Amino acid sequence: SQQGEEDPQALSIQEGENATMNCSYKTSINNLQWYRQNSGRGLVHLILIRSNEREKHSGRLRVTLDTSKKSSSLLITASRAADTASYFCASPRDDKIIFGKGTRLHILP
Amino acid sequence: NAGVTQTPKFQVLKTGQSMTLQCAQDMNHEYMSWYRQDPGMGLRLIHYSVGAGITDQGEVPNGYNVSRSTTEDFPLRLLSAAPSQTSVYFCASRSLRLSGANVLTFGAGSRLTVL
Repeated sequence: SQQGEEDPQALSIQEGENATMNCSYKTSINNLQWYRQNSGRGLVHLILIRSNEREKHSGRLRVTLDTSKKSSSLLITASRAADTASYFCASPRDDKIIFGKGTRLHILP
Repeated sequence: NAGVTQTPKFQVLKTGQSMTLQCAQDMNHEYMSWYRQDPGMGLRLIHYSVGAGITDQGEVPNGYNVSRSTTEDFPLRLLSAAPSQTSVYFCASRSLRLSGANVLTFGAGSRLTVL
């Protein structure tokens, strides 16, 4: 079974607005990872947050982690057309890394 | 530095045919894995390996075989292709040694159609 579930499944926003995606997971984790996939391409790692961290920033990305609720959120500020992509959360389970189903983000001009 | 290289990029098979998807990485990563991606299903783990000579099953292993004879290569074999195996396949690798480096590096994907 999949470890993470992203919400919403799809999101359309105007360029310049902020986009928020959420991820819920089932079991205890050491870290949670976010990846981006542009159409027809492989996934690219964006940011990793460890279980002892509550918030992490990388450029226009902000990730939060709430281990008590088993949830994480990814915020993209001041969205751009190039942010149009699918976003996945993933977490290690033993040696494996298990992905959620993803959120499709579409930035409208 | 090529990263993770997958071949072929596209393949069309007939039901019952066999084929091998190739994956090679040049980063000396111990961990290699295969995922399939289907619409609405996200990425599902097929098989993975934590080192040469060691393989294990993921979430959806049926119909697929793997082997890991070298650190660099991790081929995925379909012995008798079925239409349900029509998908996009991704190979990914990561280091198990380097602290903080346990994120995956992905290949560009292989699109397989089984008629």
